[in-house]
Amino acid sequence: EAGVAQSPRYKIIEKRQSVAFWCNPISGHATLYWYQQILGQGPKLLIQFQNNGVVDDSQLPKDRFSAERLKGVDSTLKIQPAKLEDSAVYLCASSPRNEQFFGPGTRLTVL
Amino acid sequence: AQTVTQSQPEMSVQEAETVTLSCTYDTSESDYYLFWYKQPPSRQMILVIRQEAYKQQNATENRFSVNFQKAAKSFSLKISDSQLGDAAMYFCAYRSVLRAGGTSYGKLTFGQGTILTVHP
Repeated sequence: EAGVAQSPRYKIIEKRQSVAFWCNPISGHATLYWYQQILGQGPKLLIQFQNNGVVDDSQLPKDRFSAERLKGVDSTLKIQPAKLEDSAVYLCASSPRNEQFFGPGTRLTVL
Repeated sequence: AQTVTQSQPEMSVQEAETVTLSCTYDTSESDYYLFWYKQPPSRQMILVIRQEAYKQQNATENRFSVNFQKAAKSFSLKISDSQLGDAAMYFCAYRSVLRAGGTSYGKLTFGQGTILTVHP
């Protein structure tokens, strides 16, 4: 069974630029999560989708972050404009029910 | 809101010995899940073990076992016969149980993590 795929693996941008991350969950998993993991900390949920509907986006900085899940499958997370404090690893996870399966993450560096 | 606390930023163990990682959490819910995840330098978050709050029996997975104390809100991980490949960051995580339409889902709340070093 293929795991959760994410791209790119690494991204370096200047502050105020925009960036997008892509996630392809495990086939059949209805729930998809985006987490932000700042260096030395545990991941923090940004947004949760159930199929193509948003379940929880309470910690998503909506003035600069946006996310969508097309047709309840793939998802993209966008940051525009990026700030220095957005430097982190962005993890995507999917879940059929109780267990979450994580992708390898995208490491973003904002200079 | 739920919180998860890992009070040991770093731990070390000799190969083949046993180590215990600590975790405490705060919640007013009675039904939830607890997890231990391993994150090696490759960043891939790997599930180590899972515990359902309604189960009194402690979960075990080969060399990994937990000590779940629901009243004390404590959830420690014991690694027996430690191996070099066990070296990683370990995260304790809490998950609420929300049921809608027969589907259970809920975000994970993570602790700060414990870096485990295994010495040969």
